[in-house]
Amino acid sequence: DAGVTQSPTHLIKTRGQQVTLRCSPKSGHDTVSWYQQALGQGPQFIFQYYEEEERQRGNFPDRFSGHQFPNYSSELNVNALLLGDSALYLCASSLLGFNSYEQYFGPGTRLTVT
Amino acid sequence: DAKTTQPPSMDCAEGRAANLPCNHSTISGNEYVYWYRQIHSQGPQYIIHGLKNNETNEMASLIITEDRKSSTLILPHATLRDTAVYYCIGEGDGGSQGNLIFGKGTKLSVKP
Repeated sequence: DAGVTQSPTHLIKTRGQQVTLRCSPKSGHDTVSWYQQALGQGPQFIFQYYEEEERQRGNFPDRFSGHQFPNYSSELNVNALLLGDSALYLCASSLLGFNSYEQYFGPGTRLTVT
Repeated sequence: DAKTTQPPSMDCAEGRAANLPCNHSTISGNEYVYWYRQIHSQGPQYIIHGLKNNETNEMASLIITEDRKSSTLILPHATLRDTAVYYCIGEGDGGSQGNLIFGKGTKLSVKP
């Protein structure tokens, strides 16, 4: 158990809708990264948050946005959902300045867009 | 930046050692190599990382060649629960700190 929690576990949305996914990091961690994993593929980096700011971003459109709260928890928002957004969304936490590549993942949120 | 290559799949008998290779011939001198695994329908799990010396923890051992162009993850006594996709990731593959770049990994099947 990595200590990272995500909610909800599963979600079904319709094209064009908006969705918010939530993540609570491992105790003591201050950085949250989000990844998208399509079926049969490895996870792809979406963005990373530290001190409530987006620190870096992968190759994802502006429809994907996020937020980090003072307690280090984070949200991922996706607007104008497309069928191609159907995937497992993973949250990972780490401690900036210690070892950013040692990340602890949550179980993920399975999003299905119909 | 490091770019890694791994075999797509491997089999291992339960109780035997599983040796998973990774080539990272373009890794820079100060870039670590990280290993993660992902058991079906779960989030990836950090296993181990190393720079140039061999490393061992409660999960696995990591052997890095002297020229640092390749490494091998060793699960000393594989169990059925070790069946997973194993990813070798070079620090800096994503060009930025903390951006894990997952390739296709190696699907390890541990058989009874």
